[in-house]
Amino acid sequence: DAGVTQSPTHLIKTRGQQVTLRCSPKSGHDTVSWYQQALGQGPQFIFQYYEEEERQRGNFPDRFSGHQFPNYSSELNVNALLLGDSALYLCASSSRRGQVGFFGPGTRLTVL
Amino acid sequence: AQSVTQPDIHITVSEGASLELRCNYSYGATPYLFWYVQSPGQGLQLLLKYFSGDTLVQGIKGFEAEFKRSQSSFNLRKPSVHWSDAAEYFCAVGAGGSYIPTFGRGTSLIVHP
Repeated sequence: DAGVTQSPTHLIKTRGQQVTLRCSPKSGHDTVSWYQQALGQGPQFIFQYYEEEERQRGNFPDRFSGHQFPNYSSELNVNALLLGDSALYLCASSSRRGQVGFFGPGTRLTVL
Repeated sequence: AQSVTQPDIHITVSEGASLELRCNYSYGATPYLFWYVQSPGQGLQLLLKYFSGDTLVQGIKGFEAEFKRSQSSFNLRKPSVHWSDAAEYFCAVGAGGSYIPTFGRGTSLIVHP
């Protein structure tokens, strides 16, 4: 079992660009949550996807959007990148919404 | 809204010594409580969780935590630290039966040989 996988591992973008991050959940899991972890901070919840719909959302602007595919994998899209979007983006999967998430290794995004 | 305070940014211990990492939460009702560990370049790994019942919770890697409602605390303990325990530790709270945790800022554990 590969666990939660995320791609790419690292990414460098410039301000104003758009980025897409990808997450494949652990086998048997159908719910995916995304978190942003700024340097020196704890992770902050962005949103959660279940049955291909956004079910819960944290305090993040509409520039942050997502998608979940029929195979339960998920994408996080960020438009109009700001320097402050530089962070480690973590994906967590779980079996149905009422379970504790299992985290992936993250994608390190640097915005220049 | 719920919140978590981890008052220690860094903790330094000698290998073999005991460890206690502090965590205080703010939430009106009984929360769900979690401790996670993050090693460099790794994602978060759940060490233990408290939902209800026995207030002393056993986790993986020899860790335990005690929920004290009167102190709004959920401190993490280990009787004897190993060099491989050096990592970032995050306390988190899930409010209203939510499994989506709100994290503290973390405590960095440094282990001296």
